[in-house]
Amino acid sequence: GAVVSQHPSRVICKSGTSVKIECRSLDFQATTMFWYRQFPKQSLMLMATSNEGSKATYEQGVEKDKFLINHASLTLSTLTVTSAHPEDSSFYICSARSYLRGETQYFGPGTRLLVL
Amino acid sequence: QKEVEQNSGPLSVPEGAIASLNCTYSDRGSQSFFWYRQYSGKSPELIMFIYSNGDKEDGRFTAQLNKASQYVSLLIRDSQPSDSATYLCAVARGTTDSWGKLQFGAGTQVVVTP
Repeated sequence: GAVVSQHPSRVICKSGTSVKIECRSLDFQATTMFWYRQFPKQSLMLMATSNEGSKATYEQGVEKDKFLINHASLTLSTLTVTSAHPEDSSFYICSARSYLRGETQYFGPGTRLLVL
Repeated sequence: QKEVEQNSGPLSVPEGAIASLNCTYSDRGSQSFFWYRQYSGKSPELIMFIYSNGDKEDGRFTAQLNKASQYVSLLIRDSQPSDSATYLCAVARGTTDSWGKLQFGAGTQVVVTP
């Protein structure tokens, strides 16, 4: 399998602050990275698709100005939750895929965000 | 109708028995199929993928695909307590407008009892 890391693994912040989450593919070049959100006892919800060097594509209902995504290189994508509020508290998971590996997505370990 | 459907469970399986998980999908054009395992509080990890009709075996896991019936299943042989987790079925359409996207089912919780 492939290795994808995320940082931080857990973050607690005050309402109104911004939080940046990093996602790195460690042993392959990720042509596409995905950002998901998962609430307790629910399945993964895709937020956005990020291709290296281009703007992210957001799913319906996801505010692009609130969830800023940057995919600056083939190994790094960042998600910034701007002006976070308690309802943004969730488990954020990134995944990465390479066209060389077909449609398989490899997931990072996730970031648990708690907004007070 | 959900695009990918799974029974939520919990599916209770005695240790050493076979766990059988089912998944149906609605898009007949789907081309790639994945099974992920997710432990509580953790992110999903890939177990298997399957592209062609028939069976694919990897260790204690067997994935079965029937595109005509739009059905994919996962068998876990010799179930162990460490197999207790939620199993997510994911389907890729492989079309231009959805390239790379996976549609996930809600997951089936498996509980292996000693």
